[in-house]
Amino acid sequence: DQQVKQNSPSLSVQEGRISILNCDYTNSMFDYFLWYKKYPAEGPTFLISISSIKDKNEDGRFTVFLNKSAKHLSLHIVPSQPGDSAVYFCAANGGATNKLIFGTGTLLAVQP
Amino acid sequence: ETGVTQTPRHLVMGMTNKKSLKCEQHLGHNAMYWYKQSAKKPLELMFVYNFKEQTENNSVPSRFSPECPNSSHLFLHLHTLQPEDSALYLCASSQEQYYGYTFGSGTRLTVV
Repeated sequence: DQQVKQNSPSLSVQEGRISILNCDYTNSMFDYFLWYKKYPAEGPTFLISISSIKDKNEDGRFTVFLNKSAKHLSLHIVPSQPGDSAVYFCAANGGATNKLIFGTGTLLAVQP
Repeated sequence: ETGVTQTPRHLVMGMTNKKSLKCEQHLGHNAMYWYKQSAKKPLELMFVYNFKEQTENNSVPSRFSPECPNSSHLFLHLHTLQPEDSALYLCASSQEQYYGYTFGSGTRLTVV
């Protein structure tokens, strides 16, 4: 059973517009959430994170929102740039084992 | 060289072959991981080593055999693999177990 779900396998956005990537989780013990970005032929790189005690964290063009009651988080990228085109993985950890659990990823394509 | 380095970048092997994947980190991290990334699936945790000791074996078949001779090096020995084992194998390291991952670029494995 997948504890971290990214239901949109792909997303296409125009340059300059907002990209919104979504992630849902099932384990209420998760207390730390991360987004990773992956280009082809490279490993994932850390992008931004949020602790469960917060509902928003912003870093430049990237903002992560956490809705604990809905067990949902989202990554907003604004304005989107062609260089943002990559696969974005949502991840979460916490609870008894503290393992980092990843979602399936969303492929973002930013069109010039 | 800095970061996490994985070799080889690409590997094609027959089902009767024996090969090894290598991971090296120069970050002074104490934990190292092997992950498997298959198409349309989450990143799957395979093995975790913390201070050279294996702390997690995520029900991985015995045809995959990890080795961690020291905190900087991690190997994945492969033998009698199946075509469904074809995937991207990612190594990661972190200072503290399950926090602050740095990923390598991965080895793209094809079993024929």
